[in-house]
Amino acid sequence: EAGVTQFPSHSVIEKGQTVTLRCDPISGHDNLYWYRRVMGKEIKFLLHFVKESKQDESGMPNNRFLAERTGGTYSTLKVQPAELEDSGVYFCASSPPERANYGYTFGSGTRLTVV
Amino acid sequence: AQKITQTQPGMFVQEKEAVTLDCTYDTSDPSYGLFWYKQPSSGEMIFLIYQGSYDQQNATEGRYSLNFQKARKSANLVISASQLGDSAMYFCAMREVGVYGANSKLTFGKGITLSVRP
Repeated sequence: EAGVTQFPSHSVIEKGQTVTLRCDPISGHDNLYWYRRVMGKEIKFLLHFVKESKQDESGMPNNRFLAERTGGTYSTLKVQPAELEDSGVYFCASSPPERANYGYTFGSGTRLTVV
Repeated sequence: AQKITQTQPGMFVQEKEAVTLDCTYDTSDPSYGLFWYKQPSSGEMIFLIYQGSYDQQNATEGRYSLNFQKARKSANLVISASQLGDSAMYFCAMREVGVYGANSKLTFGKGITLSVRP
């Protein structure tokens, strides 16, 4: 079974530019989550999709962040325009429809650096 | 108030010895789950162990066990017979069922760095 795939693995962009991160969850996993870890701080929740619907987007920091999951498969997270404080590692995770007692499967993350 | 607290500074352990990584949590939700993840230097997040709030016994997964003390709201990870490959950052996380149900988000602690010495 393929794991959760994220790309790019690294991205360096200038302040004011746009970046789009992509996440491919495990096939059949209805639940897809985005998290972010800013250097030295906790991993923070951004939002949760169930299939193509946003179940919980309480962690989205502001309207510069736009997440989509068309067709309930892969998801994209767009940051436009990027600011310096957006730098960090963005993780995607997925879990099956039933209770995820055995853990949410995470991708390897995208390290975003805004300069 | 922080929901997940991991206050230990960097931890060191001798190879083949056991080590305990501390985690305390705060919730008013009677139904919750506690998770531990390992993040090696390569960056991926690896699920280690899960404990449900209603589970009567402490969870175990190979060399990992979770010392769950519900009244004290602690969920410490015990790694037995440490190996060099255990050197990594370890995160404690909690899922509260709450409004969004069984697949709600995880809330993470700040993590603890573990170094295993040969």
